[in-house]
Amino acid sequence: GQSLEQPSEVTAVEGAIVQINCTYQTSGFYGLSWYQQHDGGAPTFLSYNALDGLEETGRFSSFLSRSDSYGYLLLQELQMKDSASYFCAVSVTGGYNKLIFGAGTRLAVHP
Amino acid sequence: DAGVTQSPTHLIKTRGQHVTLRCSPISGHKSVSWYQQVLGQGPQFIFQYYEKEERGRGNFPDRFSARQFPNYSSELNVNALLLGDSALYLCASSVGTGELFFGEGSRLTVL
Repeated sequence: GQSLEQPSEVTAVEGAIVQINCTYQTSGFYGLSWYQQHDGGAPTFLSYNALDGLEETGRFSSFLSRSDSYGYLLLQELQMKDSASYFCAVSVTGGYNKLIFGAGTRLAVHP
Repeated sequence: DAGVTQSPTHLIKTRGQHVTLRCSPISGHKSVSWYQQVLGQGPQFIFQYYEKEERGRGNFPDRFSARQFPNYSSELNVNALLLGDSALYLCASSVGTGELFFGEGSRLTVL
């Protein structure tokens, strides 16, 4: 089967750095994506890693280790607006762009 | 440019009824995917269409069906509704791997 594991909740303060880990077990792996979803909103794309290493996009960075079946999302200089759910998702065979999502990590940023 | 649009945004049905959900992708996107998101969980893959052909199907019963039209819009049909079908149904369009553009979703309540 296919499975992803990520922490259910993370709490941090404004200005801090937080790392959300994701481990996966899957076949036909293409890459790892991260999505942000605010309550009542649609998931929005943050990053995609197909190769090992770190990808940086502004305050957000994402890392992938294919050999360890592991990735993480790093959020720096946290702001209140970053309070949301964050999902890791693996792209797998069986569809042109088929994603298998984790259960999500709820991030709460406090003043 | 318009994003992914879905209709209706909210709907209430009773058990045994049928529902049709509609999606218009971003202009130029030929791939449309459907996901079901139950409260507190990550989106779960239902279908993926590319150039009007089904390219992937998730682990959903045959009561779920979909199609894509020549203008790349899509509809998701669910027959014989069950209480457990209550969820947010998300449509996403894409051009590349890993990055999906989601609509705001159709929230279905089955009574």
